[in-house]
Amino acid sequence: GAVVSQHPSRVICKSGTSVKIECRSLDFQATTMFWYRQFPKKSLMLMATSNEGSKATYEQGVEKDKFLINHASLTLSTLTVTSAHPEDSSFYICSALSQGVGEKLFFGSGTQLSVL
Amino acid sequence: GQQVMQIPQYQHVQEGEDFTTYCNSSTTLSNIQWYKQRPGGHPVFLIQLVKSGEVKKQKRLTFQFGEAKKNSSLHITATQTTDVGTYFCAGSGGSNYKLTFGKGTLLTVNP
Repeated sequence: GAVVSQHPSRVICKSGTSVKIECRSLDFQATTMFWYRQFPKKSLMLMATSNEGSKATYEQGVEKDKFLINHASLTLSTLTVTSAHPEDSSFYICSALSQGVGEKLFFGSGTQLSVL
Repeated sequence: GQQVMQIPQYQHVQEGEDFTTYCNSSTTLSNIQWYKQRPGGHPVFLIQLVKSGEVKKQKRLTFQFGEAKKNSSLHITATQTTDVGTYFCAGSGGSNYKLTFGKGTLLTVNP
């Protein structure tokens, strides 16, 4: 089946630093990728829709200058958490839309961000 | 905006008992998807339902999409310990696959 690779799986950083998370579709091209945030024992909250070659679409309440999204190729989207603070600590997960026969979303394995 | 309610939040069963989780959307959905997330893992796609009244089966799992395309259910027959995890429904109101997730149902199974 289709595979989405997300890296890193875990990152610990100091407050004020920036962290970049990569999401790659390994065996299919994805013009659309999604970034979600999941708090412990909570559901996934869509943060933004990443569109290849154009600006990301952010959900209400998500700061676009805080969470920079770049989707420069058909297989890679990146999420950069800028000037991270402890309240940004969370599980971030991406998904990529496979538009082959029967559209499906495939999820990355997630990134646990801890900001000290 | 679109809201997806999912109940129950938690369900604890004895191995061999059945389990059902329900989802209701505030708006008509174009499709609904179901995911399973094992503890410490990431969501894994289970199935997508598109047609009104659709019923799909995967071994012991039965998925239903309501006639009005506003509700859905996942039923597991004779649960096993391997069924443990959180089951999420996620609905899309359009064709852009922007999903709204339910809060999930955490299933625990006592062997």
